[in-house]
Amino acid sequence: DAKTTQPTSMDCAEGRAANLPCNHSTISGNEYVYWYRQIHSQGPQYIIHGLKNNETNEMASLIITEDRKSSTLILPHATLRDTAVYYCIVRADYGGATNKLIFGTGTLLAVQP
Amino acid sequence: KAGVTQTPRYLIKTRGQQVTLSCSPISGHRSVSWYQQTPGQGLQFLFEYFSETQRNKGNFPGRFSGRQFSNSRSEMNVSTLELGDSALYLCASSLLQGASDGYTFGSGTRLTVV
Repeated sequence: DAKTTQPTSMDCAEGRAANLPCNHSTISGNEYVYWYRQIHSQGPQYIIHGLKNNETNEMASLIITEDRKSSTLILPHATLRDTAVYYCIVRADYGGATNKLIFGTGTLLAVQP
Repeated sequence: KAGVTQTPRYLIKTRGQQVTLSCSPISGHRSVSWYQQTPGQGLQFLFEYFSETQRNKGNFPGRFSGRQFSNSRSEMNVSTLELGDSALYLCASSLLQGASDGYTFGSGTRLTVV
């Protein structure tokens, strides 16, 4: 079973920041938070991941709470092309039996013009 | 550089038949994972191969199998197809086993069993 809880859907106005929350209250100390997104009829796309500290890359920012029980993915200026299902995944970052990604149901982000 | 290539893109098969799907990872990537996506069950892990060895396996029946070749290309096979096997089958590659910087997924093979 997925270890994360996300809202089923969210709307965001084009050009505004999209803030996607994720709850992972049972996360272990060695587990990272990963975000992927899946645009309709395509394979999932890696966005960002982090352990404790906030992370930023060219696509998004990841804010992880101090107790690591929740996180927020931020798309600073959402465009129509960001409409997709966003998956939050927790996973230990080492080889072995936990290599697999366990996808939940994700959040459908609809960016409105 | 070329991404993950999956062939064929679409496939229609009849119940009871078998099917083989192919995945070519990004050049230099040695790990290949397979996932099944259905409307009812979402994305589910099938198996992962690294250096021609199956390293992890999901909770699927033995009808689902796979292999990886020395050039890292991978195939998955489903025998005795059932209607419920209709799904989008996705392949993902990474440089190392248990990629810490994310997997790159292909566009998938959409299998329809009739």
